[in-house]
Amino acid sequence: NAGVTQTPKFQVLKTGQSMTLQCAQDMNHEYMSWYRQDPGMGLRLIHYSVGAGITDQGEVPNGYNVSRSTTEDFPLRLLSAAPSQTSVYFCASSTRGVGNSPLHFGNGTRLTVT
Amino acid sequence: KNEVEQSPQNLTAQEGEFITINCSYSVGISALHWLQQHPGGGIVSLFMLSSGKKKHGRLIATINIQEKHSSLHITASHPRDSAVYICAVSRYGGSQGNLIFGKGTKLSVKP
Repeated sequence: NAGVTQTPKFQVLKTGQSMTLQCAQDMNHEYMSWYRQDPGMGLRLIHYSVGAGITDQGEVPNGYNVSRSTTEDFPLRLLSAAPSQTSVYFCASSTRGVGNSPLHFGNGTRLTVT
Repeated sequence: KNEVEQSPQNLTAQEGEFITINCSYSVGISALHWLQQHPGGGIVSLFMLSSGKKKHGRLIATINIQEKHSSLHITASHPRDSAVYICAVSRYGGSQGNLIFGKGTKLSVKP
């Protein structure tokens, strides 16, 4: 099993560009989520999904879109990149929600917006 | 005040020492997670617990629901234990999506 796979590992964007961060899991997990990690801030939830076709906003959703058309994939779209979106992004999944099952994390994507 | 507080923020230990990292929270929870973030950046789930105590190898996690406090212990510490340890809680009655994270404890174990 590959677990949770995130691509790319590194990305540099110019302000205003758009891009999609990919996340895929092969564990048949219902729950998937995206976090960003900034120095001194800890991890913060961007969007999450409790199953295919269901998504919801987290703490910091502005500037990001998600969709969950399959159980396996949960891409994160940056619509118009801004320097404030420079961060490390983690995708995570679990069998059920975070109140019931442990999280499995991807290796992260380091994004720089210039 | 943050809803999840960890202490200490930074910890330096000598190899072989017994280590304790603390996590206090101010909300009712359904579960508490301990995570480990390696220097390379990857995050691994160590424990998820809602009561009592769990043990895995040299790691022990305890939780006291009444006191809203959890501890992560590392016995016979080793330089490979050097990492950031993160506590996170799932709020009771909250959405299935939302974890509240502490800011982490950076542990450095010297040989």
